[in-house]
Amino acid sequence: DIQMTQSPSSLSASVGDRVTITCRASQGISNYLAWYQQKPGKVPKLLIYAASTLESGVPSRFSGSGSGTDFTLTISSLQPEDVATFYCQKYNSAPPWTFGQGTKVEIK
Amino acid sequence: EVQLLESGGGLEQPGGSLRLSCAASGFTFSSYAMSWVRQAPGKGLEWVSAISDSGGSTYYADSVKGRFTVSRDNSKNTLSLQMDSLRAEDTAVYFCAKVASSGWYVTNWGQGTLVTVSS
Repeated sequence: DIQMTQSPSSLSASVGDRVTITCRASQGISNYLAWYQQKPGKVPKLLIYAASTLESGVPSRFSGSGSGTDFTLTISSLQPEDVATFYCQKYNSAPPWTFGQGTKVEIK
Repeated sequence: EVQLLESGGGLEQPGGSLRLSCAASGFTFSSYAMSWVRQAPGKGLEWVSAISDSGGSTYYADSVKGRFTVSRDNSKNTLSLQMDSLRAEDTAVYFCAKVASSGWYVTNWGQGTLVTVSS
């Protein structure tokens, strides 16, 4: 099975900082990667699919990039409401459709 | 508006069974694959199972294969997860999830139902 590894596991940044989260697949998955945001006590929310396509309604400060095995979620200017745990998920044709272990983002 | 409402969670002893249900509304249920995702207390998301739009294809994580069975009733807009031989490590919030038409990622999540396996 393909493993998904996120880094870092947690980070603390200041409001306005550029934040980058990495997700690495153990085998190539083309661009079959989604990113989710889960705020404390809330249900996850889809942010990005196909590695770089922003879901409707998601602020433009979020962006995704990558293909193959290495992917990145970037928040261009961190806002207080972005405090959350972020997960990547691979969804290429073969299950299991594994999630990464999560990256917790906090405000410094 | 897409709505997914889970039910059936609760406390069960190890080795016991529970059946989760998810009532879907706000979209053409029979046109979409569906999935179950769980989250153990304080832990990350774990994909559990999925089912195609027709119900003809089902998929499971290795951790639940042979113990859990996913099914759907398109006439009643209902998704189900039969959980047998429950273990302590199955304790989690179980989310019903609507899968995108363009790939097996989740576009909509239910609020979740808590399953606790403990003696």
